[in-house]
Amino acid sequence: QSVLTQPPSVSGAPGQRVTISCTGSSSNIGTAYDVHWYQQFPGTAPRLLIYANNYRPSGVPDRFSGSKSGTSASLAITGLQAEDEADYYCQSYDTSLSGYVFGTGTKVTVL
Amino acid sequence: QEQLVESGGGVVQPGRSLRLSCAGAGFSFTNYAMHWVRQAPGKGLEWVAVISSDGSNEYYADSVKGRFTISRDNSKNTLYLQMNSLRADDTAVYYCARDVLGDFSGWFDPWGQGTLVTVSS
Repeated sequence: QSVLTQPPSVSGAPGQRVTISCTGSSSNIGTAYDVHWYQQFPGTAPRLLIYANNYRPSGVPDRFSGSKSGTSASLAITGLQAEDEADYYCQSYDTSLSGYVFGTGTKVTVL
Repeated sequence: QEQLVESGGGVVQPGRSLRLSCAGAGFSFTNYAMHWVRQAPGKGLEWVAVISSDGSNEYYADSVKGRFTISRDNSKNTLYLQMNSLRADDTAVYYCARDVLGDFSGWFDPWGQGTLVTVSS
């Protein structure tokens, strides 16, 4: 059972901006531990999208951005493109569970 | 090119055992902690276990503690997951992933392609 909650789905038209929330608690996102984001296409492995709250690995378009505040984090996609249609997961560490945790996942649909 | 390749998945009966392997290439395997993450069919990602770079520390998700064992052979650049007492709810694609920092704030990159484990009679 995931301790990080994400909306099951978000959608937007091409060119629009969408955001995905990741809600945690004082034992995970609310701690000093960072939040990371992954993108996953059907039938493929997850790919690192954002690390340490708001950094993009090389090769990730700058239309993807991340932020963290309090016990929540968010991923924003600006200038939505058809190729962005995928599942997105947040991830952090939970001190109460003494383990790594993932969000419930969000499916992004481009209308 | 940094790469992880899993193997060892398959169909296994409940209560039986299976060992997964993950071979690393293109990076200094001995310098990184390594994870196993699984994904049940149609479900989200679930962290399974992590092992430190030298193999001296291991941590597990409660769902697998006491049944699964993570290990590594740095001379072979290979990570393992020994899975015992398998249950139907262990059915999933199992991914190995590198921990970039090696502490609890690290992120997972890269990931292997995954290997499917199906527990069924």
